[in-house]
Amino acid sequence: SQQGEEDPQALSIQEGENATMNCSYKTSINNLQWYRQNSGRGLVHLILIRSNEREKHSGRLRVTLDTSKKSSSLLITASRAADTASYFCATDYSGGGADGLTFGKGTHLIIQP
Amino acid sequence: DAMVIQNPRYQVTQFGKPVTLSCSQTLNHNVMYWYQQKSSQAPKLLFHYYDKDFNNEADTPDNFQSRRPNTSFCFLDIRSPGLGDAAMYLCATSRDPPGSFYNEQFFGPGTRLTVL
Repeated sequence: SQQGEEDPQALSIQEGENATMNCSYKTSINNLQWYRQNSGRGLVHLILIRSNEREKHSGRLRVTLDTSKKSSSLLITASRAADTASYFCATDYSGGGADGLTFGKGTHLIIQP
Repeated sequence: DAMVIQNPRYQVTQFGKPVTLSCSQTLNHNVMYWYQQKSSQAPKLLFHYYDKDFNNEADTPDNFQSRRPNTSFCFLDIRSPGLGDAAMYLCATSRDPPGSFYNEQFFGPGTRLTVL
């Protein structure tokens, strides 16, 4: 299976602290993407990092990619209550074919006010 | 605002009664996807269209079909829903196809399907 695995499955921190989530995957990829999902809603795209990139920033978000270890991390700095959501990594497999993204199981993040 | 719209947001059907979920987009994207997401699980890709080309995932049951009559609309047909098909169904679009360097997906709000 190409499916990624997020770690931890659940994370609870105090508002203002930083939150770090990790993702591991199994195959060569074109890109890796992070999405956020609020309860009962659709997914929102956060960041895409290409296979030849190592780090990317967007506002309070920082994503790293280590293709040698087949892993990525998402850091949310200065967390806010509104960051409470599930966070998924998704990989775009580079092995050819017409496959779409493969999503990991997600990390459920709770920000305590 | 450009967006992905799914109707209805909530759908209740009876066991075995065909149901159709709809998705429309104003992004003019080439690719449209359907995902199934069960509670506390990852979204699972069912199939996608790249323009008019239909791409079915190997493990998508035959019970699930899709139609894309034009660029803007895509439908998910469940021919004989079973209790195990109760889930959130997510539609998404991307400008570029799978395998591209930049193919971020834009999701609709989802349709929650209940099977009685």
